[in-house]
Amino acid sequence: EAGVAQSPRYKIIEKRQSVAFWCNPISGHATLYWYQQILGQGPKLLIQFQNNGVVDDSQLPKDRFSAERLKGVDSTLKIQPAKLEDSAVYLCASSYHGLANQETQYFGPGTRLLVL
Amino acid sequence: SQQGEEDPQALSIQEGENATMNCSYKTSINNLQWYRQNSGRGLVHLILIRSNEREKHSGRLRVTLDTSKKSSSLLITASRAADTASYFCATDKTGANNLFFGTGTRLTVIP
Repeated sequence: EAGVAQSPRYKIIEKRQSVAFWCNPISGHATLYWYQQILGQGPKLLIQFQNNGVVDDSQLPKDRFSAERLKGVDSTLKIQPAKLEDSAVYLCASSYHGLANQETQYFGPGTRLLVL
Repeated sequence: SQQGEEDPQALSIQEGENATMNCSYKTSINNLQWYRQNSGRGLVHLILIRSNEREKHSGRLRVTLDTSKKSSSLLITASRAADTASYFCATDKTGANNLFFGTGTRLTVIP
């Protein structure tokens, strides 16, 4: 089966610009996750969708970050305006049921963002 | 703060040797998972161990869980150069349905 797809793979922007990332999960997976991974750290959950509804966005900086999952399939994550500290790898993952603590999450290759 | 913390932060061994990584966590959990991340790539799920299990095997991997000490270990036997990667433990919290990743152990296997 095809894996989780993400684009772009790399993005360089200047601070205060906006940027968007796209994710296509594995077909049939109900749950989609966006993680932020800062260099040298583990991934941190930003937002979790179950179909097209938000399950958890408690760690999403909502003043600048937004995400949507229209039609319960693809998802986009947007940062507007970007700050230097947003430089990180943004990982998308999906799972079949959405029981994150009981099942495997499948990760995409990530988008590496550099904010100058 | 993140739930899990791995130890050591970095480990370098010769091919064929065993590698042991440890994970400590802070609160009660339902399950603990281990993931591998090759440089520049996404994470790959390795193994899940439930809170009522003490040991689990998968190929060359052996995971133990000690809930009384709030710790887990990942043992990779007969390491290969292809095992070079970062290894993360991920825990949940009782009553929560998301994962918290540790800071990872960077393993280098020298051919």
